[in-house]
Amino acid sequence: NAGVTQTPKFQVLKTGQSMTLQCAQDMNHNSMYWYRQDPGMGLRLIYYSASEGTTDKGEVPNGYNVSRLNKREFSLRLESAAPSQTSVYFCASSERGYYGYTFGSGTRLTVV
Amino acid sequence: GQSLEQPSEVTAVEGAIVQINCTYQTSGFYGLSWYQQHDGGAPTFLSYNGLDGLEETGRFSSFLSRSDSYGYLLLQELQMKDSASYFCAVGDSSYKLIFGSGTRLLVRP
Repeated sequence: NAGVTQTPKFQVLKTGQSMTLQCAQDMNHNSMYWYRQDPGMGLRLIYYSASEGTTDKGEVPNGYNVSRLNKREFSLRLESAAPSQTSVYFCASSERGYYGYTFGSGTRLTVV
Repeated sequence: GQSLEQPSEVTAVEGAIVQINCTYQTSGFYGLSWYQQHDGGAPTFLSYNGLDGLEETGRFSSFLSRSDSYGYLLLQELQMKDSASYFCAVGDSSYKLIFGSGTRLLVRP
């Protein structure tokens, strides 16, 4: 039972490059999320998808776009990476949007 | 605005009891949750309080007072493996969680 799978696990980008972070869950959850975690700042919500076909902005959406490809997959795209986007990115999913999140193992992104 | 306040760091001795407090101010309220995260790992779900009172799961208990916008996580019989960061999180709508900045717990021998 894989749970939530994120790829890649590590990535180094140059300023201005673009990339897509992939996330897939196999628990048949309705809701999916992207958070970023910076030292001392906890987890901040970037975007979320309450159900297949919907996406909404979270606390820090600037510089990101998302796609809910189907019920299983939710991707995060950085169109033009900036050093301020250096962070650890976590994808999560939940059957109920306010309870019992399952997190992926994270993507450690460095923008130089 | 929305905010969750919890202590940044707590230190305790192995075998002791520790309480991590969380106060919150959010536009909506769909319960208070707690998550544990070891260094380099992903957050994992510990507990959820939707109503006032105490919820117990083994050595961990969590408490909620909605009238005080306050909750806490109680860890008993501390073990070295409990050294981790603990996050409180509030459902501010039926669709998403807002997390606090986390409390780093250090358990000493």
